[in-house]
Amino acid sequence: EVQLVESGGGLVQPGGSLRLSCAASGFTFSTFAMSWVRQAPGKGLEWVSSISGGADNVYYADSVRGRFTVSRDDSKDTVFLQMNSLSAEDTAIYYCAKDLAVRVYSGSYISWGQGTLVTVSS
Amino acid sequence: QSVLTQPASVSGSPGQSITISCTGGSRDIGGFNSVSWYQQHPGKAPKLMIYDVVTRPSGVSDRFSGSKSGNTASLTISGLQAEDEADYYCSFPGMFGGGTKLTVL
Repeated sequence: EVQLVESGGGLVQPGGSLRLSCAASGFTFSTFAMSWVRQAPGKGLEWVSSISGGADNVYYADSVRGRFTVSRDDSKDTVFLQMNSLSAEDTAIYYCAKDLAVRVYSGSYISWGQGTLVTVSS
Repeated sequence: QSVLTQPASVSGSPGQSITISCTGGSRDIGGFNSVSWYQQHPGKAPKLMIYDVVTRPSGVSDRFSGSKSGNTASLTISGLQAEDEADYYCSFPGMFGGGTKLTVL
C-alpha cells in the first residue's frame, strides 16, 4: 500500500523559512515523479512544484519560483520542499503527491499524503 | 501559467447525471490529452478520478467518465449518489482549475 507522510509544517513569521518532508513507502520511490500541491484555507488546489524520477527535471509554479526548492533523497524515499521568504499568501495545507507515470512528470497524481499545515503569521 | 475555468457549483438529484466543464486553451487542454479530474471531500486529500482525459484508475466507479472537445474537458457523473457530493477539480500538468462544488439535492 502506498503511503505518503508529510511533516515539517507549522507557524512561521513572514520572511522566514521552513523545510517540508514527505516520507514515502509501498512503491519504488526512485522511479516516480513527486509533486507538492497546496490548498489555502477555504480555497482550491494550487500546484507548487514537481521533481521527476531521478531528479533530472524540476518544475515550479510562478508564485514560488526563486523562493522554493524541491529535492529528493532516493536513499531515504523522501522528497523535500525548502520554502524561503515566506509570506501570508503561502499559508496553506501542503500535500505531497505521487505521479501516475514512471520517471517523467505526467501531472496526474495517483496518491496523496494527508497534508501538513503551514501558517505564515506574525 | 494558464488558467483552467470551471463553474463554481453544480447540483443534481440522486439518480440524475451531471457534467462539470473545464475550459482551457489550445496550448493546454486543446493541445494534449493530459487532463485529470480529482474529487475532494471536506477535510480529506484529493482523489484521482480520471486521467488522460478518459481513463479511470482502478477502483473508481464507472459512473464517472471524462471527455474532451476542443479546449474544454468535461467530467460526467451518472446515477448521482449522495456520496458524490464533493469538490471536483480538473487539472493539466502544472495547473488546476478553480474547483466545482457538487451538491446532491
